[in-house]
Amino acid sequence: QVQLQESGPGLVKPSDTLSLTCGVSNYSVSSSNWWGWIRQPPGKGLEWIGYIYYSGRTLYSGTTYYNPSLKSRVTMSVDTSKNQFSLKLSSVTAMDTAVYYCARKDPSGWYFDYWGQGTLVTVSS
Amino acid sequence: QSALTQPASVSGSPGQSITISCTGTSSDVGGHDLVSWYQQHPGKAPQLMIYEVTKRPSGVSNRFSGSKSANTASLTISGLQAEDEADYYCCSYAGSSTMVFGGGTKLTVL
Repeated sequence: QVQLQESGPGLVKPSDTLSLTCGVSNYSVSSSNWWGWIRQPPGKGLEWIGYIYYSGRTLYSGTTYYNPSLKSRVTMSVDTSKNQFSLKLSSVTAMDTAVYYCARKDPSGWYFDYWGQGTLVTVSS
Repeated sequence: QSALTQPASVSGSPGQSITISCTGTSSDVGGHDLVSWYQQHPGKAPQLMIYEVTKRPSGVSNRFSGSKSANTASLTISGLQAEDEADYYCCSYAGSSTMVFGGGTKLTVL
């Protein structure tokens, strides 16, 4: 089955850019799919960050959809050579401290069927 | 895009049934039959329990069921078991290819 694994720095300084990658196993990121990110501040609920649609066969490949509240600071991309996708969040503050999950949105539905284990990112000087 | 509204906590005894509500608007929950539910145990990643309001993924117990009326979706767990104690989150399609989560509900099995 599809396996996802987040990686990246666990500590980021305020005003810097948070960068995470999600390695995908047993599935090709090049297949028609939506690859997403969700975060969870300590002790709080889940927040959808966004996703990127990737397919090697359509003009829409690389299309991104972001949470309006984060849109100005978020960038997502796919690296097919490494079978992974990435998240960048700029100008971070302590409010961005959270566990970040990568997930796959089901190709034909609006739900996340596979999740990574999550990685805690702390924003602090 | 506001978070969907869920009760902060619910509780029940083993063997009983509980229902968790998830209230949104006509732009999200009420406008589409695209509500999903996730179970999250402490320190673990969320797990899909229900999708498209009523459907269960393979491997999920039939004790879990979903429904929707107007702008409110519900998750019902019957025959409550100790292992059901967890946080539960609803999620809905919110138009323009966006999604929104609920604030989460902590289920305590007494």
